Amino acid sequence: DADVTQTPRNRITKTGKRIMLECSQTKGHDRMYWYRQDPGLGLRLIYYSFDVKDINKGEISDGYSVSRQAQAKFSLSLESAIPNQTALYFCATSDSASTDTQYFGPGTRLTVL
Amino acid sequence: TQLLEQSPQFLSIQEGENLTVYCNSSSVFSSLQWYRQEPGEGPVLLVTVVTGGEVKKLKRLTFQFGDARKDSSLHITAAQPGDTGLYLCAGSTGTASKLTFGTGTRLQVTL
Repeated sequence: DADVTQTPRNRITKTGKRIMLECSQTKGHDRMYWYRQDPGLGLRLIYYSFDVKDINKGEISDGYSVSRQAQAKFSLSLESAIPNQTALYFCATSDSASTDTQYFGPGTRLTVL
Repeated sequence: TQLLEQSPQFLSIQEGENLTVYCNSSSVFSSLQWYRQEPGEGPVLLVTVVTGGEVKKLKRLTFQFGDARKDSSLHITAAQPGDTGLYLCAGSTGTASKLTFGTGTRLQVTL
């Protein structure tokens, strides 16, 4: 079984809808991250969490919110989806004892029409 | 904002050729990582370099961190179709476990 899982893997939605992307991990890591990937732009950090009570904005947090329900679960919400949020979304985890190595989930492809 | 520029953006070569991918920044990083991403999957870590001038080898892949810790290169010798993928560099300033990712180099190796 994969250590970092994301659901759904693909989602098509309409402008204005609320969408939640979920991430779960079995690695026992305390740190979790949400990124979006767009062609030619690499991965950009949306939000990150160092533990259940610690949530921080990344470089592109506008239009997004997150919830860290447990150490193993970190969800990303788009309150009112817009077409330019069409992208590939990745969740990642890391261990505070080995801070720089991040482990990524398989990604969620989101299309906003 | 720290930026990492990768070049080339796309590279299509034949099996057996050598290639180099570059990752450049005006910022200093405490460490730099290289990831490879295949279609439908998340990036997977290949290597981390932490010392200016450091060279690491992973089979046919050679990674170098610049002396000033602002740039890095990835050299692949005798490329194989299995090397096809998106290569991403990512720099860390050592604070808060935050990585800044490069723009990516998409490599295609054909027979």
